[in-house]
Formats: sequence, structure tokens, C-alpha cells
Amino acid sequence: NAGVTQTPKFRILKIGQSMTLQCTQDMNHNYMYWYRQDPGMGLKLIYYSVGAGITDKGEVPNGYNVSRSTTEDFPLRLELAAPSQTSVYFCASTIRVGNTEAFFGQGTRLTVV
Amino acid sequence: AQTVTQSQPEMSVQEAETVTLSCTYDTSESDYYLFWYKQPPSRQMILVIRQEAYKQQNATENRFSVNFQKAAKSFSLKISDSQLGDAAMYFCAYSWDSNFGNEKLTFGTGTRLTIIP
Repeated sequence: NAGVTQTPKFRILKIGQSMTLQCTQDMNHNYMYWYRQDPGMGLKLIYYSVGAGITDKGEVPNGYNVSRSTTEDFPLRLELAAPSQTSVYFCASTIRVGNTEAFFGQGTRLTVV
Repeated sequence: AQTVTQSQPEMSVQEAETVTLSCTYDTSESDYYLFWYKQPPSRQMILVIRQEAYKQQNATENRFSVNFQKAAKSFSLKISDSQLGDAAMYFCAYSWDSNFGNEKLTFGTGTRLTIIP
């Protein structure tokens, strides 16, 4: 059982480049989330999805886009990368919210130079 | 809006001693859920303990227990008999149920716990 898989684990981007962070879960979870974690800081919600075809903005959505065409996949797109997007990105999933454990990927460390 | 506040950026404790990490939250909901997650240096997020707001009894998981004060909107984590493996960043988190599909899992800023041998 793989759980939540994020790729890549590390990436260096140049300013203005674009990339997609991949996230896949094999637990048939409805809810999926993207968070960013800046050094020494907590997790800030970028986007979330409550099911295939449904996405919504979190606290810090600017500069990012998402899609949810299947239950399993929730990719995060960075367009025109900026140094402020240097962070560690986590994907997470839950079968629902409420009293359920969130399962996290291993994170992607992204540096924009 | 629901917010979670952790006022202790860093804490340290002697091995085998007890430490308490603080968390407060703000919500207008009556039914909600609170969590403590641990993030060791490996970056993997691990659920430590969870509490349902409708339960008066404080949750416990082995050496980990919480002090849930609903009226004060406080949710602290107590770690007894601290071990070197407890060294990590600890995040308090909040979620709730709704019929509108807008539930989110909200995290605090974290407390970095150091265990002194």
C-alpha cells in the first residue's frame, strides 16, 4: 500500500520556469490538499479538493493552479516560478475531513533561483 | 475563520522528563476535531493523537495525552517520559464537518521540540 506519493522529491527551478508537482494516492480518499511549508513555519493551505472535478482555494493560492480529473491524482502547477515559491510542498489526503487521519506525502523541496 | 495558534516556537526537555506543548484555536463551530501531528527530520508527518470536541474525556495514546479545554479553546499536548525519538516539530491541527464540502484541515505554526540527553 503506497499511500500518498509525491514526485519529484527535489527540484531547482529558474525564475519564470513552470513545473507540475505530482501527487497520487491509492486509498480512494475523497479529500486531497496541497500545503507549503516555509523554513521554520507551519503548513499553509494552497488548494484543496473534496472530490474529482471539485477544487477550491486555500490561504495562499496565488501563483498556483490545480486540477482533479480523477480521485487518485491531484497535481499542483506552478506557472512563472518566483523566489517566493521556494518552499517544501506537501500533498495530503483524507477519506473525509472531521475525525480522520490525514496521510501525507514525503514532500517536495523546491528552490527557485 | 478557523485559526490555530501555537505560541511556543521552540521547547526543550530533559530525557525522561515531561513537557507540555500549547495550542489554542478559534472557531464558531460546535462540532470539530483537534489533532497533534509530529514531523521528525525525515519530514514525514505522523499523527500523534486526536480529540473529538464532543468528548469531555481527554485523549491518551501511551506517553502522549492532551488537556482539552473547550470553553477556553485550548488543546495542549503532554509528553511523558520524553525520549530522544520524540525530537521533532509538533503541529496542532483543526478540522470540522459541514454539509457544504468546504472542510479544511488547518495547522498551527508548529513547536520544535528538542530532547536533551
